Amino acid sequence: EPEVTQTPSHQVTQMGQEVILRCVPISNHLYFYWYRQILGQKVEFLVSFYNNEISEKSEIFDDQFSVERPDGSNFTLKIRSTKLEDSAMYFCASSELGGKQFFGPGTRLTVL
Amino acid sequence: RKEVEQDPGPFNVPEGATVAFNCTYSNSASQSFFWYRQDCRKEPKLLMSVYSSGNEDGRFTAQLNRASQYISLLIRDSKLSDSATYLCVVNRFNKFYFGSGTKLNVKP
Repeated sequence: EPEVTQTPSHQVTQMGQEVILRCVPISNHLYFYWYRQILGQKVEFLVSFYNNEISEKSEIFDDQFSVERPDGSNFTLKIRSTKLEDSAMYFCASSELGGKQFFGPGTRLTVL
Repeated sequence: RKEVEQDPGPFNVPEGATVAFNCTYSNSASQSFFWYRQDCRKEPKLLMSVYSSGNEDGRFTAQLNRASQYISLLIRDSKLSDSATYLCVVNRFNKFYFGSGTKLNVKP
């Protein structure tokens, strides 16, 4: 069964550094998403991406964040100048038609 | 007001029990609705979409009431493997809002 993959599974970084989280969505899917989940809290929508551009973004997704689909398979989330409060699990998801989403296993980001 | 509200639980039920979860959403323009389950420290996994006509998938039945802005999930004949957190998710113009989840513990 096709699945969404994410790398790395755990990323540790120093405050102020840039990180890039990588995702490979399911191959025939057209919509891509990033979410974050701070430990013990709910899943929060960050951004949706369709047709090579951002479709929607939340208030959390400020200028510190950017997304890119650099080639036909990868979908990346870049966080510039990380802050302590960026420590969370980051989930990538994809869907075929913009409805039912399939999530990757997540990247745990720890900012020290 | 929160976009999506759920009773956090936990619901502690014996194997074989029937259990129901509810969820309310605040924005009447919401377009599509889903139930996901999330195991501890894992990714959310899609359980089912939710339609006004109601829909069933094996032991799981979901229902949407647009007038009341209310979504439900019924689990019949609970199994130990049903223990998880159940997330209510609402989509509005391709922004997805998650509830905080309802925790279910199924006991032997």
